[in-house]
Amino acid sequence: GEDVEQSLFLSVREGDSSVINCTYTDSSSTYLYWYKQEPGAGLQLLTYIFSNMDMKQDQRLTVLLNKKDKHLSLRIADTQTGDSAIYFCAERPGGGYNKLIFGAGTRLAVHP
Amino acid sequence: NAGVTQTPKFQVLKTGQSMTLQCAQDMNHNSMYWYRQDPGMGLRLIYYSASEGTTDKGEVPNGYNVSRLNKREFSLRLESAAPSQTSVYFCASSERDNEQFFGPGTRLTVL
Repeated sequence: GEDVEQSLFLSVREGDSSVINCTYTDSSSTYLYWYKQEPGAGLQLLTYIFSNMDMKQDQRLTVLLNKKDKHLSLRIADTQTGDSAIYFCAERPGGGYNKLIFGAGTRLAVHP
Repeated sequence: NAGVTQTPKFQVLKTGQSMTLQCAQDMNHNSMYWYRQDPGMGLRLIYYSASEGTTDKGEVPNGYNVSRLNKREFSLRLESAAPSQTSVYFCASSERDNEQFFGPGTRLTVL
């Protein structure tokens, strides 16, 4: 079946790095996504990675993909209070329509 | 561009009442989606529309109906609301297999 799992909560100090982890089950997934949700808002795409890539870097964000273990991580360097939000991992299984399977979300709290 | 807009932002219903959630996008996207978000769970797909004139069930369609009114608009209807439908509802759109853009959500409470 299709399932995406994430830890529910992460607390970091401002200026430290944050690492949010995700595991997925569908080995045919073509894309994997990280979305950010701020309080009272919709989801905003942060970054994505193709399944044939190991790593993608975009400014303070680094995505690592271990396809063998079906493990995805998002690293935020120099975490700021503005990074406090819920982060959702999502996979796009292969075939069919543009269906996304979301994890439950990781709430990132950044404290001084 | 406004992106994806949803109305209303908040709604309280009594059990058995009906209502329609509205969604519109101005990005000329072919595909549109309705999700619900419940505490401690990821977003779950209710219905989607791959293109104008087509709609299909997602993961949790029971208790809902949809209409793809035109390319811009995709509405979600609750014919007889139940407390289990208390949730935050998100509409999204995409150009076929590309990134999905989300609206700000509608927070619905059914008493």
